[in-house]
Amino acid sequence: NAGVTQTPKFQVLKTGQSMTLQCAQDMNHNSMYWYRQDPGMGLRLIYYSASEGTTDKGEVPNGYNVSRLNKREFSLRLESAAPSQTSVYFCASSQERGRGDTQYFGPGTRLTVL
Amino acid sequence: GNSVTQMEGPVTLSEEAFLTINCTYTATGYPSLFWYVQYPGEGLQLLLKATKADDKGSNKGFEATYRKETTSFHLEKGSVQVSDSAVYFCALREAGGSYIPTFGRGTSLIVHP
Repeated sequence: NAGVTQTPKFQVLKTGQSMTLQCAQDMNHNSMYWYRQDPGMGLRLIYYSASEGTTDKGEVPNGYNVSRLNKREFSLRLESAAPSQTSVYFCASSQERGRGDTQYFGPGTRLTVL
Repeated sequence: GNSVTQMEGPVTLSEEAFLTINCTYTATGYPSLFWYVQYPGEGLQLLLKATKADDKGSNKGFEATYRKETTSFHLEKGSVQVSDSAVYFCALREAGGSYIPTFGRGTSLIVHP
């Protein structure tokens, strides 16, 4: 059981380049999330997917797009990277919509935009 | 809206000292409360949780009690170790409406030998 996996672990981009961050979970969870973590800002939700086929914006969606490819996979795309998108990105999943649900996090992708 | 407030860090302690990290919350409904821990270079992982008032969550020597009257969920450990050095996040999830978790900003703990 790998849990939540993310690729790549590290990435350096130049301003204007595009890339896709991949996330997969093997726990048969319904909900998946993308967060960014910046010093002093805690975790900020970018997008989430309550179930296969649905996606919704979170707190900071500008500059990002997502795809819930199937129940296992949820990708995050930066179409034209900007230095303000330098951050650590975490994918997470949880079983279902419920107040007691635990979120399971991936190891993160450390992205630098020059 | 919902919010979670944690004490600012870093909290610096010597090994075997007593730890308290304060967490208070504001919620429109009746949330479940969580503490997550993030070790250096890793993602967050659940440390403990409580789903109703007066419940105590516990794990790895850490404890937190859901106090509805004071809207608090303070994290405590009687004797910290160097290996407890990490960032600790308090969070809540509510039933009904948006189920999106609300996280605090995190509190860094540094334990010296």
